[in-house]
Order: sequence, then structure tokens, then C-alpha cells
Amino acid sequence: NAGVTQTPKFQVLKTGQSMTLQCAQDMNHNSMYWYRQDPGMGLRLIYYSASEGTTDKGEVPNGYNVSRLNKREFSLRLESAAPSQTSVYFCASSANTYNEQFFGPGTRLTVL
Amino acid sequence: GESVGLHLPTLSVQEGDNSIINCAYSNSASDYFIWYKQESGKGPQFIIDIRSNMDKRQGQRVTVLLNKTVKHLSLQIAATQPGDSAVYFCAENRAGGGNKLTFGTGTQLKVEL
Repeated sequence: NAGVTQTPKFQVLKTGQSMTLQCAQDMNHNSMYWYRQDPGMGLRLIYYSASEGTTDKGEVPNGYNVSRLNKREFSLRLESAAPSQTSVYFCASSANTYNEQFFGPGTRLTVL
Repeated sequence: GESVGLHLPTLSVQEGDNSIINCAYSNSASDYFIWYKQESGKGPQFIIDIRSNMDKRQGQRVTVLLNKTVKHLSLQIAATQPGDSAVYFCAENRAGGGNKLTFGTGTQLKVEL
């Protein structure tokens, strides 16, 4: 039981490049989330998916898109990366609303 | 604006002492609160949660207290150990907002031997 897994662990992009961050969970959770964490700050919600087939914007969605591919997988796409998107990205999942969220190990992204 | 904040950015305690980490929240509509621990280079790890219909909840060596009157949340760690050194975040879930958590900025707990 791996919990929440994220790939890649590290990534360096040039401004304007695109990439997709992958997230998968094996806990049969309904809800999945993408957060970003900037130095010295808490996590901010980018997008979330309350259940398979639905996605909604969080606090900081601009510059990102998401896909809930199936119940297990939730990907985050940067279409045209900007230096302001340099951050650590965390994926999380929860069984349902008002359940604890389980976090993955994070993807450290640098945009030059 | 609405926010979840922490009173102290860094807390240093001696091994074996009790630690108290505080958190203020400003949205009276929040009805679910969670404490997370984050070690360097890792994702946040769930510690304990509490719903707004409670004022205290205990876990193993940890207790969360909720004071809705003053919108204050605290995490107490008993007999603090070196392995407790980490950044601690409180997070709130606003009623009717799905499971969208708003995180505070974190408190660094340092355990001195």
C-alpha cells in the first residue's frame, strides 16, 4: 500500500515550457487535491476533485489545469511555465469531505 | 481578509517538556480543523483533527483544544521528543466549502537535547 505517489520528484523547466505532474493514490479515496508550497509558507490549494469526474478551482488556479483521469489518478498541467510557479507541489487525497487528507512526498519544480 | 495564522514562527523546547503550538483563525464558519506535521523534504503528515462541536480531542501524546469564542486552536505535545522537531501547520475547513483546507503559515518546533 503505497498511499499517495507523485512523479517526478524534481523538475527544472525553462519559462514557457509545459509539463504534467502525476499523482496516484491506492487508498480508493474519492477526493484528490493539488497544493503548492512556497518557502516559509503554508500550502495553498490549486485545484481539487471531490469525486471522479469533477474538478474545481482552489485558491490559486491561474496558470494550471487538472485532469481526474480515473479514481486513482489526478494530474496537474502547466501549459506555459513561469518563474512564479517555482514551488513544491503536493498532491493529497481523502476518503470524502471532512476526512483527513493524505499527502504525497511532493514535486520540487524550478522554472528558470 | 480571512486567514489562518500562527502566533509564533519558531518554538524551542527542551526534550521531555510539553510543547504548545497556537493557531488563530478568523472565519467563524469553519467547522473542521486539522493539525499537520511536516518534516524537512517530506509531505505533511496528519496528526489530529477536531470538529467544531468539540472543544478538546486527545491522541497519543497530543491534544488539540478548540476555543470557538476567541477563534483559537492549540496543539499540545506531551513529553516532546527529538523526533517531534518539524514544522506544524493548522488548517481549517470552512463549512459548505467541500474539503478545501486553508493552511496557516506554520510553526517550526525545535527540540533541544
